[in-house]
Amino acid sequence: GAGVSQTPSNKVTEKGKYVELRCDPISGHTALYWYRQSLGQGPEFLIYFQGTGAADDSGLPNDRFFAVRPEGSVSTLKIQRTERGDSAVYLCASSARPGESEAFFGQGTRLTVV
Amino acid sequence: DAKTTQPPSMDCAEGRAANLPCNHSTISGNEYVYWYRQIHSQGPQYIIHGLKNNETNEMASLIITEDRKSSTLILPHATLRDTAVYYCIVYRPSGTYKYIFGTGTRLKVLA
Repeated sequence: GAGVSQTPSNKVTEKGKYVELRCDPISGHTALYWYRQSLGQGPEFLIYFQGTGAADDSGLPNDRFFAVRPEGSVSTLKIQRTERGDSAVYLCASSARPGESEAFFGQGTRLTVV
Repeated sequence: DAKTTQPPSMDCAEGRAANLPCNHSTISGNEYVYWYRQIHSQGPQYIIHGLKNNETNEMASLIITEDRKSSTLILPHATLRDTAVYYCIVYRPSGTYKYIFGTGTRLKVLA
């Protein structure tokens, strides 16, 4: 596709449930990022993939959060035992060559935990 | 990671130049200044970046002071569609390559 695609665009889930958020990066982009954005705040870094491996997962808030990118393209952010505080917009970005090109962001997935 | 400081909000008249300042006094020699903007309900959009020299593209100009401790993003002829939150980011092209966003400047372009 032309840009970074994130699905679903909106997700409402009950507290305690498991959710998966999907990111389709721009074709050929090796670097992939996940961010979380709360209302009125800037995006907060969660995890960075270079290829299939998570090069930096220091932003994941706790062990309920996990992300994979098994084939080096599509990535899935997984949240177990969701809590109301997990409600936010989850943004995905990709870049062709980290350090040499800008990152392109998707429109985000708005997660609401009720 | 170097920290950036931006004013929380600014107004600009439509058609005038919008000058958005950013302080990054702890920037290191190999770190770039990047600017992104976020229009309501959309993902951040890349605008421009630079290391030492001033840069210009079709969207904006970036002026970096000689000591690199501050920079200014210039939108030469602001339109209503430029109303957005503008983020100044210091980016290190090594290690984990992550972009650290602050709270940005909310620019409102007035008709």
